Amino acid sequence: QVQLQESGPGLVKPSETLTLTCTVSGGSVSSYYWSWIRQPPGKGLEWIGHIYYTGSTNYNPSLKSRVTISLDTSKNQFSLKLSSVTAADTAVYYCARRNYDPFYFDYWGQGTLVTVSS
Amino acid sequence: EIVLTQSPGTLSLSPGERATLSCRASQSVSSNYLVWYQQKPGQAPRLLIYGASTRATGIPDRFSGSESGTDFTLTISRLEPEDFAVYYCQRYGSSRHTFGQGTKLEIK
Repeated sequence: QVQLQESGPGLVKPSETLTLTCTVSGGSVSSYYWSWIRQPPGKGLEWIGHIYYTGSTNYNPSLKSRVTISLDTSKNQFSLKLSSVTAADTAVYYCARRNYDPFYFDYWGQGTLVTVSS
Repeated sequence: EIVLTQSPGTLSLSPGERATLSCRASQSVSSNYLVWYQQKPGQAPRLLIYGASTRATGIPDRFSGSESGTDFTLTISRLEPEDFAVYYCQRYGSSRHTFGQGTKLEIK
């Protein structure tokens, strides 16, 4: 059974960089697509981007200038960096596995709340 | 950019009733890429339906999905207490994923 677990600071100051890591167990990051999705409190889901095991990435155009997703196959992890954060970036951040085709997110982490505040 | 509009925003029904949730795409969407998720408070979304009408592993057959042009429907035939949650549709296209804004299914 594939399991994902997010980790990282729960509080980030405005203008700083949010960094989260997702550790995958029960499966390898050397296949499938690996995504980050966020959900502001009380609101809906927003896809941030994904990385393929080859290292190729796709990002949400609305966040593309601030987002970097990377992969560490030796640790079976992938990471999210979101720069120049503001209060609008406060959200629960989920990591998820995306199936090849058809495209769906079948395994999710439990989510981690990141608050942007000074 | 294709927008997914879910309706109603909130649906109030009783256990045992039938629920019909709608997801309308602003442009033609391949049914292959239309997905439904269920999310309960404090939990991650759970995959329900993919390819517009295929139930994911372990999903009860009271859940079904259908499509008609740009309109996609999630139907729950007889509501169980555990079905009251928020439901999202999602599609993939142009190298990006987009979610609808969600429908909250609440107990009447």
